[in-house]
Order: sequence, then structure tokens, then C-alpha cells
Amino acid sequence: QQQVKQSPQSLIVQKGGISIINCAYENTAFDYFPWYQQFPGKGPALLIAIRPDVSEKKEGRFTISFNKSAKQFSLHIMDSQPGDSATYFCAASIDDFNKFYFGSGTKLNVKP
Amino acid sequence: NAGVTQTPKFRVLKTGQSMTLLCAQDMNHEYMYWYRQDPGMGLRLIHYSVGEGTTAKGEVPDGYNVSRLKKQNFLLGLESAAPSQTSVYFCASSYRTTYNEQFFGPGTRLTVL
Repeated sequence: QQQVKQSPQSLIVQKGGISIINCAYENTAFDYFPWYQQFPGKGPALLIAIRPDVSEKKEGRFTISFNKSAKQFSLHIMDSQPGDSATYFCAASIDDFNKFYFGSGTKLNVKP
Repeated sequence: NAGVTQTPKFRVLKTGQSMTLLCAQDMNHEYMYWYRQDPGMGLRLIHYSVGEGTTAKGEVPDGYNVSRLKKQNFLLGLESAAPSQTSVYFCASSYRTTYNEQFFGPGTRLTVL
């Protein structure tokens, strides 16, 4: 049973548009929520992360929105660019040897 | 710094064969992890290690063994490969603190016929 549920599985966005990827979790002990970006043939790399004591974190065009009561968090990519085309994974972690539980991934395709 | 490296990059095995995947990191990280990535399943933790000489099971440990004889290396073994183990395998490492980034290697694509 997957501990973190991610949607959609794939996403097509026009250049300049907003990409939104959603994740939900059940375990209220999770207290660290990173997003990873993976390009074809490469390993995942950390994009942005949030702790549940804040509702939003922004880094450039990437924003995480966090809703603790709903146990949901999402990644927003503003002004999406073709170079953002990649697979995105959300994850959740608890204070347990820094283990991550990953979502199933979203393949983003930004059309020029 | 090379970061996290994995050997080999690709491998094709026949059912029942054995092999070892090698992960090496040069960041002096205490924690190391092995994941498998399958379509629609994300990354699932196979085994992990919190220090030299220690290993523990993750979410999907069956059919795999690991060893960490040196701090910088983490080996993943398949004793008798099965087609269900066809996957892309990723190694990752991190510092010994919570809420810390995991650094991933480039992956090994394994096909079991």
C-alpha cells in the first residue's frame, strides 16, 4: 500500500502555463516533504522541500503548497518551460533514519 | 567530487543467475539506500544502511541482500534473479540528520529474461 498518493500520472502543459501536481498522505507522523525531479536516464534530484510548520514555500518558479489538515501538498510550476519536462516525485519522511516514501511520479511534458 | 556512482549501468541476466550492484559515494555520508523504480510505482526502498557494518530492510527486501563493509560502498546482491526483478535500481546517500537531502546515483537498468 503506497503511503503517498500522487496525481496526475501524466501532465501536458503549454509553455508559459502553470503545472500543478498533487500528493496526499495518511500518516500524520510525516514531517518532511521533498519534491524530486528526474530527467530521462538520470537519477532523481532534489527540487524543493517543505516542513509542515509552513503552508507555502517558494523557490523561483517552483512553489510547494501544504495543507496539514487535509494531509495534502502540491507542487506548482509557474511559467512552465520545455526544460521543465521531466518526471516529478513527491515524497514524505519521518524521523526514522531519513527514509523517504515516494509517490508514483508525474511525467510532465511542456509543449513549446 | 563524483557524488554517487553506480556500477554497472546496464545488465541483462537470465533467470536464476546472480549479480552484485555496486554503489559508491565520496561525500562521507553515513546513510545509504537502495531503491527500485518501476513504472507507476515510483521509488520503493529495498534496503538501507545507517553506517558501516549495518543494514536494514526497507519496503520490498525479498530476493535481495546487501552489505556495507566500507562506509563509502553499499552493495546490492541478487542471489537468484527472477523476471519480477527487472527494474531500474537507484542508490542514494545522505548525512546522518533528519530532513536531509538524499543524493541519487545515475541508476542501473537490469533486465532479467
